[in-house]
Amino acid sequence: EADIYQTPRYLVIGTGKKITLECSQTMGHDKMYWYQQDPGMELHLIHYSYGVNSTEKGDLSSESTVSRIRTEHFPLTLESARPSHTSQYLCASGGQGSSGYTFGSGTRLTVV
Amino acid sequence: GDSVTQMEGPVTLSEEAFLTINCTYTATGYPSLFWYVQYPGEGLQLLLKATKADDKGSNKGFEATYRKETTSFHLEKGSVQVSDSAVYFCALRVGNSGNTPLVFGKGTRLSVIA
Repeated sequence: EADIYQTPRYLVIGTGKKITLECSQTMGHDKMYWYQQDPGMELHLIHYSYGVNSTEKGDLSSESTVSRIRTEHFPLTLESARPSHTSQYLCASGGQGSSGYTFGSGTRLTVV
Repeated sequence: GDSVTQMEGPVTLSEEAFLTINCTYTATGYPSLFWYVQYPGEGLQLLLKATKADDKGSNKGFEATYRKETTSFHLEKGSVQVSDSAVYFCALRVGNSGNTPLVFGKGTRLSVIA
């Protein structure tokens, strides 16, 4: 079944640690996205990719980085986590303009 | 730039009440319009969409009509259930190539009480 997967679902880590949030999709979509969702629910686009070796920064400045070496995989890395990074991170993939996105279940990150 | 404005929540309704969540948009081109729903602890799910003026999207008893003259895409349901409690996001996308990200509203939290 075509789907999009995020791991881990929950993560609690200490300040200064390096972490990678995983996102994989089996739908063959070229376009993938990372959103940060604040406690007030609003979604902020932090990174996106239109294909292999393509990455762009989104509307919200983020200290994270992404890579797109394979179509199906779009991991997000924080080199040095801080409490301000505590949030929910949502990954999505999409096809053509009218098809919308498919979202993963999210990773809830807590930095202590 | 392109933007979506939706009514602020939270919205609290009794079971079987009528629901309307207002959504208006500003777009430089001719957008496709979407409603997404986010249940507690989950990611967003596409609820319905419409791609041209006067189209009506519908799913699970929810409906929304693409109104170009009023630049609106209001979400409605005739009789809500407790299981409809969630956050609802209105969104738009301009162009057919998919090379522009979706633009989301800020979300409206709905609570339905028995």
